[in-house]
Amino acid sequence: NAGVMQNPRHLVRRRGQEARLRCSPMKGHSHVYWYRQLPEEGLKFMVYLQKENIIDESGMPKERFSAEFPKEGPSILRIQQVVRGDSAAYFCASSPSGGIKTQYFGPGTRLLVL
Amino acid sequence: AQSVTQLGSHVSVSEGALVLLRCNYSSSVPPYLFWYVQYPNQGLQLLLKYTTGATLVKGINGFEAEFKKSETSFHLTKPSAHMSDAAEYFCAVSSGGGGADGLTFGKGTHLIIQP
Repeated sequence: NAGVMQNPRHLVRRRGQEARLRCSPMKGHSHVYWYRQLPEEGLKFMVYLQKENIIDESGMPKERFSAEFPKEGPSILRIQQVVRGDSAAYFCASSPSGGIKTQYFGPGTRLLVL
Repeated sequence: AQSVTQLGSHVSVSEGALVLLRCNYSSSVPPYLFWYVQYPNQGLQLLLKYTTGATLVKGINGFEAEFKKSETSFHLTKPSAHMSDAAEYFCAVSSGGGGADGLTFGKGTHLIIQP
């Protein structure tokens, strides 16, 4: 059973460009979570999605950041007009819909903004 | 609001010695508690979790943790450290409800194993 998949693993963007990060949850999982990890920091929750619905986006910056989890295909975290402060590792986790929703993490996308 | 405090950003132990990584939490509702391990440039791997029931939980790689409600703690231990245990360890809390919310993480503890 494949784990959570994220791509790209590394992404370099110049200031002002757009970054698109993709996450495919584990098979059978319908819940997706995005986290950001800054250097020397723990992970900070950004957004929680189910298929076609944003459940909790309390950790998302109000501007430039958006997330979606369409009926078909991976979840996308989109950062518009990136700035240097967006440089971080972005992790996706998925959990099943029933029972205890233990979150399983992907390998992350490391975004570098030049 | 929930929070997690991990005491000691770096912990160094000798190979074969006891590992103790401290985690204290605050939560207004009965918490679900987790320990994750992160190796360099990799994602987080679940070590163990506490949801309900037995307060001493066993995880992978010989690690275990004990939920102590009175102390609001969930410390991680391993009787004998191995070189392969060197990594970053994160404690996290969820507010229950099936864990259907974002986890709140501590800042992490970097475990160093001395030969």
